[in-house]
Amino acid sequence: DAGVTQSPTHLIKTRGQQVTLRCSPKSGHDTVSWYQQALGQGPQFIFQYYEEEERQRGNFPDRFSGHQFPNYSSELNVNALLLGDSALYLCASSRSGGADYETQYFGPGTRLLVL
Amino acid sequence: LAKTTQPISMDSYEGQEVNITCSHNNIATNDYITWYQQFPSQGPRFIIQGYKTKVTNEVASLFIPADRKSSTLSLPRVSLSDTAVYYCLVGGVSYNNNDMRFGAGTRLTVKP
Repeated sequence: DAGVTQSPTHLIKTRGQQVTLRCSPKSGHDTVSWYQQALGQGPQFIFQYYEEEERQRGNFPDRFSGHQFPNYSSELNVNALLLGDSALYLCASSRSGGADYETQYFGPGTRLLVL
Repeated sequence: LAKTTQPISMDSYEGQEVNITCSHNNIATNDYITWYQQFPSQGPRFIIQGYKTKVTNEVASLFIPADRKSSTLSLPRVSLSDTAVYYCLVGGVSYNNNDMRFGAGTRLTVKP
């Protein structure tokens, strides 16, 4: 049973460019959340997708957008990159609709460096 | 979402039991308590989750007092490989969460 996978593992971009990160959720999961983790800090919630819709959003500008596909995989897009966008981007998946709390399982992350 | 407070860092030695306490005074009735472990440049890994009293699995125990305003993650007989950052999160069903807030976590260093 594959866990959460993310691609690419590393990425280098320059200021002003656009980037797309990809995530495949754990088998059986239908909800995907994205987090940004700067060096030395805890992950910060960006947004969550369920049924191909953005369900919740953290305190991030509109430059950050996403998409969820019918197979539950997801993309995170960041436009007009800033130096401050350099971080580890984490994807987490969970299963909705259950009676228990939706434990999130994280992928290995994509390390983005903006020069 | 309930704010959590954890010690910034802790040191221990191999073979010892480590207890990390998290304070969450504003926990809501339907909130669960979840702990994650994170190694450098990796995603957080789920350790344990509970609602009240005590929960135990193959890697840790979670103690939650009756008022649920705090919780303690207990790691028995730690090894060098347990050196990591540990996060305590409090929240309910994700649909009702506006945010999934990780604090700075507790950096545990296990020494030989």
